[in-house]
Amino acid sequence: QVQLLESGPGLVKSSETLSLTCTVSGGSVSSNSYYWTWIRQTPGKGLEWIGYIYFSGYTKYNPSLESRVSISVDTSKNQFSLKLSSMTAADTAVYYCAREVMDSSGWYLSWGQGSLVTVSS
Amino acid sequence: DIQMTQSPSSLSASIGDRVTITCRASQVISNYLAWYQQKPGKAPKSLISAASRLRSGVPSRFSGSGSGTDFTLTISNLQPEDFATYYCQQYNSYPYTFGQGTKLEIK
Repeated sequence: QVQLLESGPGLVKSSETLSLTCTVSGGSVSSNSYYWTWIRQTPGKGLEWIGYIYFSGYTKYNPSLESRVSISVDTSKNQFSLKLSSMTAADTAVYYCAREVMDSSGWYLSWGQGSLVTVSS
Repeated sequence: DIQMTQSPSSLSASIGDRVTITCRASQVISNYLAWYQQKPGKAPKSLISAASRLRSGVPSRFSGSGSGTDFTLTISNLQPEDFATYYCQQYNSYPYTFGQGTKLEIK
């Protein structure tokens, strides 16, 4: 059973860069079967797909955030990470890491528990 | 981006009722549509993928239908644990997008 756990600061100052890490257990970030994904949820905009990284290092980002976002993977720690620069109050959200899967049972997203990030001025 | 529009935004129902939530995509997405249930303070839980394929462990009172641009989630014989917020999501093309949610409340 693959499990995901987000970690990082709960409070970030305006204009600074958010760094979040997702630790994967029960599976490997080096697997070629998954896309390692970040999604956020805000009261205003709801659920927003941020982007993913594949084991090869290939990334795909939401164009609305592409100029500020970076997703990377650390195979030695079995983790993948999100960086979001120039944070503003609009970036206050619960950030989820997730695993996008297509297997014999079909397509699905498997989510971490989420990490609340508040941007302060 | 593909816009996903859910209706209604909120819904009141009683235990044992049958309810239907609608999701419309701004362009054709075939059957690349997923449904999630979310309870307060928790991550979304996957219910259905491919518009109508129930995920493992999801009760059979949940069902999904549709293809193209119009989709429905139906919950039959509502149980107390079903009162939550429901979201649709398209995975036809990136960026994946979600509906705004439907809050199902007890009448």
